[in-house]
Amino acid sequence: DSGVTQTPKHLITATGQRVTLRCSPRSGDLSVYWYQQSLDQGLQFLIQYYNGEERAKGNILERFSAQQFPDLHSELNLSSLELGDSALYFCASSPTPSAGAGDTQYFGPGTRLTVL
Amino acid sequence: QKEVEQDPGPLSVPEGAIVSLNCTYSNSAFQYFMWYRQYSRKGPELLMYTYSSGNKEDGRFTAQVDKSSKYISLFIRDSQPSDSATYLCAMSPRNQGGKLIFGQGTELSVKP
Repeated sequence: DSGVTQTPKHLITATGQRVTLRCSPRSGDLSVYWYQQSLDQGLQFLIQYYNGEERAKGNILERFSAQQFPDLHSELNLSSLELGDSALYFCASSPTPSAGAGDTQYFGPGTRLTVL
Repeated sequence: QKEVEQDPGPLSVPEGAIVSLNCTYSNSAFQYFMWYRQYSRKGPELLMYTYSSGNKEDGRFTAQVDKSSKYISLFIRDSQPSDSATYLCAMSPRNQGGKLIFGQGTELSVKP
């Protein structure tokens, strides 16, 4: 158990809908990361927040948005869902804002999103 | 062309074999190099971390980085059935927070 929790574990929804994925980081970690894993694209970085502020951004679609709240939990909002958005969405957390010596990113168990 | 290329396998070896997993990359700005292991339906977990060219050993695992060739490797000695998993290389570019760029992952199966 990494200490990172994600809810829900599974989500099935229809095209055009909007969903919210939730992540609670490990105790003491200030950085939260979101990744998308699909068979064709692999594991792709979406966005990072550090202590409530956006820190780094990947190829996150405009239909997707995220935020980190004062209690450090984070939510990833996916709207106008398409079939191609079906994937595993992982949250990870780390203590500091950068990748560096000893700054391990701990991954949660993921949320499996299925868009029908 | 992807920034990080990794042979997706699958790779099947007998128990006790030496396994070699490899990634190549194109971005000279990558400064930290990692190997993650992912069991089926689980989140990735960090195996090895390094930032300089050369070898780093941890038990049965050795990570190798050759920055001049833009090539990294993970060697697993005396492989065990419990090593059966997908192995992902990951790299962190300079000045982009904690962003990690992952390879496609290599699926490894160690047969008893």
